[in-house]
Amino acid sequence: EAQVTQNPRYLITVTGKKLTVTCSQNMNHEYMSWYRQDPGLGLRQIYYSMNVEVTDKGDVPEGYKVSRKEKRNFPLILESPSPNQTSLYFCASKVSSGQGTNEQYFGPGTRLTVT
Amino acid sequence: GNSVTQMEGPVTLSEEAFLTINCTYTATGYPSLFWYVQYPGEGLQLLLKATKADDKGSNKGFEATYRKETTSFHLEKGSVQVSDSAVYFCALSSGAGSYQLTFGKGTKLSVIP
Repeated sequence: EAQVTQNPRYLITVTGKKLTVTCSQNMNHEYMSWYRQDPGLGLRQIYYSMNVEVTDKGDVPEGYKVSRKEKRNFPLILESPSPNQTSLYFCASKVSSGQGTNEQYFGPGTRLTVT
Repeated sequence: GNSVTQMEGPVTLSEEAFLTINCTYTATGYPSLFWYVQYPGEGLQLLLKATKADDKGSNKGFEATYRKETTSFHLEKGSVQVSDSAVYFCALSSGAGSYQLTFGKGTKLSVIP
């Protein structure tokens, strides 16, 4: 089954404790992206990757890091989480051909709470 | 820059009522337009899309027409069901060289029996 998986689905942590949210897709997609969803703000892009070893900032990259060492994986790293990073996070992927016309496939989401 | 404005929710309708969720956009060039749906506890999934002016996207009884003259992509369904209760997001992807999706803030729809 074609899918994007994220782990963990739920995470409660404390300020300053480094964490990683994993994202993996089995569709051989070149493009991958991370979003955060907050009430009243919709989805905002954090980082994206056009292919292996190619990453770039989205609209709200502060406080986050990413890496793309393999095509299928795109982990999101919070080196020193803060309460304002409490949010619902989504990973997404898409093929690169067709530029912006093809849909993005979303993972199920990771709900992060930072206390 | 690109932006998407969609009607504020929440929207509550009775089963079999007609649904319209308004969406307007600002973008350079010729964007592709999308409606995504998020069911409770799930990720987003594509509902329908349109990639050029006057295209009509349709799926599961939902429709939206790409209107370049009014920069709009309103979502409609003639008869909603309880199972349509979800959050609906309008989004655009701008033209050549860009893959970034710009989302509206979402509209929560609740359908009551």
